[in-house]
Amino acid sequence: DSGVTQTPKHLITATGQRVTLRCSPRSGDLSVYWYQQSLDQGLQFLIQYYNGEERAKGNILERFSAQQFPDLHSELNLSSLELGDSALYFCASEGGGGIYNEQFFGPGTRLTVL
Amino acid sequence: AQTVTQSQPEMSVQEAETVTLSCTYDTSESNYYLFWYKQPPSRQMILVIRQEAYKQQNATENRFSVNFQKAAKSFSLKISDSQLGDTAMYFCAFAISGAGSYQLTFGKGTKLSVIP
Repeated sequence: DSGVTQTPKHLITATGQRVTLRCSPRSGDLSVYWYQQSLDQGLQFLIQYYNGEERAKGNILERFSAQQFPDLHSELNLSSLELGDSALYFCASEGGGGIYNEQFFGPGTRLTVL
Repeated sequence: AQTVTQSQPEMSVQEAETVTLSCTYDTSESNYYLFWYKQPPSRQMILVIRQEAYKQQNATENRFSVNFQKAAKSFSLKISDSQLGDTAMYFCAFAISGAGSYQLTFGKGTKLSVIP
């Protein structure tokens, strides 16, 4: 158990819909990273938040957005869903603070768009 | 942009034998980290081993060791005394430090099967 929780574990929805994925980092970790794992694109970095602020952005579509709340949990919002958005979405938490700390991955949310 | 290449989509090894997974990367940065992650059928991402680019000594974690060749931009993983529990996807990953972000760039992965 990494100490990072993600809900829901599975999500099945239809094209055009909007969903929210939730991530709770390990206690004390200030940084949350979101990654997408799909058959086409492999594992790719989407976005990072640190203590409530966006810190880095990767290959995140404009239809996707994220935020980190004062209690440090993070949500990834996916809208106007397409079939190609079906993937495993991971969040990872890290202590932050500028020096390297290991990223601990959550169990992932499996999104299926029908 | 950084790229990570794993040229072996699938590999197999007999239990108790040794196997080496290959990884090459491309970057113009001088300070970075390299990682091997394991993803078993449960899909959980597990850090296996980490190497800091400024360290010449190859990292070792129990049965797992790396061969880091900085000039060649090569970072291979050696698994000794392979066990059935080592069956998993293995991802090579890279991170640079940029304004406090250690975002990971992953290779496509190598599927390792340990045969009893």
